This record gives sequence, structure tokens and C-alpha cells, in this order.
Amino acid sequence: RKEVEQDPGPFNVPEGATVAFNCTYSNSASQSFFWYRQDCRKEPKLLMSVYSSGNEDGRFTAQLNRASQYISLLIRDSKLSDSATYLCVATFSGSARQLTFGSGTQLTVLP
Amino acid sequence: EPEVTQTPSHQVTQMGQEVILRCVPISNHLYFYWYRQILGQKVEFLVSFYNNEISEKSEIFDDQFSVERPDGSNFTLKIRSTKLEDSAMYFCASSEALRPEQFFGPGTRLTVL
Repeated sequence: RKEVEQDPGPFNVPEGATVAFNCTYSNSASQSFFWYRQDCRKEPKLLMSVYSSGNEDGRFTAQLNRASQYISLLIRDSKLSDSATYLCVATFSGSARQLTFGSGTQLTVLP
Repeated sequence: EPEVTQTPSHQVTQMGQEVILRCVPISNHLYFYWYRQILGQKVEFLVSFYNNEISEKSEIFDDQFSVERPDGSNFTLKIRSTKLEDSAMYFCASSEALRPEQFFGPGTRLTVL
């Protein structure tokens, strides 16, 4: 079974807030993990890959917990432009080039 | 910054007709993909293509669908005998040979009437 589950939200936060999204995946043999963002009726855009040691890119921090099959994304000092749907994405063993998407978590940053 | 491009941006067709959706992947990428997203639903994998052949395909990608790389730059998805339920956004993506990150084009919105 190849599934990625996310809390759909919506998350409504004030500008400057810190917000965290969580995601679980179904298969312990999952290989690669990503966070994409998708604006309304637009394509998914790669936000960051998620590495086993955790990684940070500016205001964004991604964490991977393989034991719990859990991925997180933390956004600090949120901006109005961060408003989007955040997609948790994984690949599974045997399907290394097939991205499996979660349903997305909707974020609205309020002025 | 290099981008994946897709044409047309919107395609309207009658049920039963054939459509061809076109994509130009990023020039140094060797893996190409098609995904679709029905309105309000998840992005779903259709097919991956490498070295002029299909490398993986999903259950959605049945005999109604085919892909082709007709020349050195284009990558196409053909849908034969379209059905109402084929109405969706179709995204093309590409990736480098040695990295897993995939980059998506802006999509073609297909409407089947």
C-alpha cells in the first residue's frame, strides 16, 4: 500500500507566526520525501527535499522520522506569500520515480 | 532558470475525440513524467519515460493513453477516445538522471464535453 496522509487544514495564521505541518506515509520502505507547494490551479512547485538528518532552507525546516514514518514542515515568520497548499510527497521502494502525493494542507497567512 | 513548458494551456474536446498534450522538458533532464489532477483531488502519477521507453506506469495509464518523444525536445501524451472522467489538469514533469527531484510544467487543463 502506498499512501501519504496529511491534515487537510485549513490553517489560518497571522503574518509572522510559526506553523507546522505533519504527514505520515504508509510504507517503511519509502525512499525519498519532498514538500511541494501548490497555488490555486497551478502546478506543484518543489519547496524542498527531506533528508534523514533534517534540513533547513531559510524559514523552512523539514524533518523526517523513519521509525514513526512521519515527515514535518515548519515555517517560521510566515509571510502573506506563503499562503498555498503544501503537498507532502514520497516515493516508494520499487517505484523510485513515481511520486505519491498527499492531499495537501491548505495554509492562509492573514495580515 | 530552465522550466518545463506545456501546450496548450487549456484544451476543450468532445467525448470520444483524441487529444495530444505537449510538453518540452528541461533540456538536460532525461526522465519525463505525466501526472494528472482531477479538480479537488490529489495529484496522481500516470507514467514515467526514460531512454525512449516507458519505465513505470500506474493503473490509470491503460490502453487509452500513450506517450511519445517524437523529437529531441518534445514529450507528448495522447489520450484516445476521451471520456468525461478524463477532464483534469495534466502536468508534465522532468528530472535529472541522478537526482529524484521532479520539476513540473504549468499544466494543460483538459475539459471533455
